[in-house]
Amino acid sequence: GEDVEQSLFLSVREGDSSVINCTYTDSSSTYLYWYKQEPGAGLQLLTYIFSNMDMKQDQRLTVLLNKKDKHLSLRIADTQTGDSAIYFCAEATDKLIFGTGTRLQVFP
Amino acid sequence: DSGVTQTPKHLITATGQRVTLRCSPRSGDLSVYWYQQSLDQGLQFLIQYYNGEERAKGNILERFSAQQFPDLHSELNLSSLELGDSALYFCASSNWEGRETQYFGPGTRLLVL
Repeated sequence: GEDVEQSLFLSVREGDSSVINCTYTDSSSTYLYWYKQEPGAGLQLLTYIFSNMDMKQDQRLTVLLNKKDKHLSLRIADTQTGDSAIYFCAEATDKLIFGTGTRLQVFP
Repeated sequence: DSGVTQTPKHLITATGQRVTLRCSPRSGDLSVYWYQQSLDQGLQFLIQYYNGEERAKGNILERFSAQQFPDLHSELNLSSLELGDSALYFCASSNWEGRETQYFGPGTRLLVL
């Protein structure tokens, strides 16, 4: 089936690291994406990783890909209150399949 | 700002009515995608157009249709609206027709009363 799964909620203290996890189903996915959605706004592309990579770092963001387990994670270092949002992972097959989204809440 | 524009931002209408949502892709992008985001269904892919032609279809109802015009803007038509059609409708665009990165517009919030 085409299910991309994420946990629904994550709550972290400001300054800590956040790790958002995602499992996908299609091993033929070539790209995997992380999008951020702030309240009342559209989806903002955060980062993506090509399927032949294990890791990608972009400033405070680190994406880890475990192809064997079809597991993708997004680590946000030094999490700030402005990072509070819903984070979607998506796998690209012949179309983009989105996960259910993880709502990240950052408290002071 | 992704460069993708959508109008209107908000739309309130009644059951049984028909509405048209409009999307302008980023300059140079040939593909347009439509998505529906609702509380119970999450983010669902509806349909993709590439350079004026339908390229892929997702969970789009028969009451819904879309088209892409020669200037590459796209319209999503929703007819015989039902309460359950209330949702956020997003448009995204990308350069080509395949699996490349998509950039999303701000969405149109549709409320059917």
